[in-house]
Amino acid sequence: GQNIDQPTEMTATEGAIVQINCTYQTSGFNGLFWYQQHAGEAPTFLSYNVLDGLEEKGRFSSFLSRSKGYSYLLLKELQMKDSASYLCAVRDLSGGYNKLIFGAGTRLAVHP
Amino acid sequence: GAVVSQHPSWVICKSGTSVKIECRSLDFQATTMFWYRQFPKQSLMLMATSNEGSKATYEQGVEKDKFLINHASLTLSTLTVTSAHPEDSSFYICSARETEGSNQPQHFGDGTRLSIL
Repeated sequence: GQNIDQPTEMTATEGAIVQINCTYQTSGFNGLFWYQQHAGEAPTFLSYNVLDGLEEKGRFSSFLSRSKGYSYLLLKELQMKDSASYLCAVRDLSGGYNKLIFGAGTRLAVHP
Repeated sequence: GAVVSQHPSWVICKSGTSVKIECRSLDFQATTMFWYRQFPKQSLMLMATSNEGSKATYEQGVEKDKFLINHASLTLSTLTVTSAHPEDSSFYICSARETEGSNQPQHFGDGTRLSIL
């Protein structure tokens, strides 16, 4: 089966840096995605990792270690609008087709 | 960029009503679409994978007779919640991928908030 763990809630200060961790266990790993979701809205794509290492995209970076089943999302220069839920999702090939399995999400609150 | 349109955005109806939700890929073809359900402050739970021209693949615990999925074309999938009851009230979201390449992200519709009275 699959298991994806991430912290439930985090708080941070405007302008700071925050790291959101995600650990996963899956039998058919085929990539890890991070999505941002504001309350009542659909998720929006942030980043994708399939190989080990760091992917940087503006203020957002994502890291993956496949051997450890571990990823993190790094948000720099935090802004108030970054207050949202951040979803770690693993693409799973088991069962014969690609499907995206989501973690419970981390609710990030950015305060002044 | 890839756009997925979902309709309607809100549905409020009486218990026992059947509700149909549409999911369209506007500028790309999607052989596979996905239907998720999300309860408040919880994550997205995959309900089923919708395959164009064939039967949907349902996740364990999801009643296929309750949640009917039809993927009639490469740009349209529908989810029908049959004889909906208050416990079916939730946020339903569809998603689609542009190609079958594994590095393509899934793009999400704006979701449908279903409230059953």
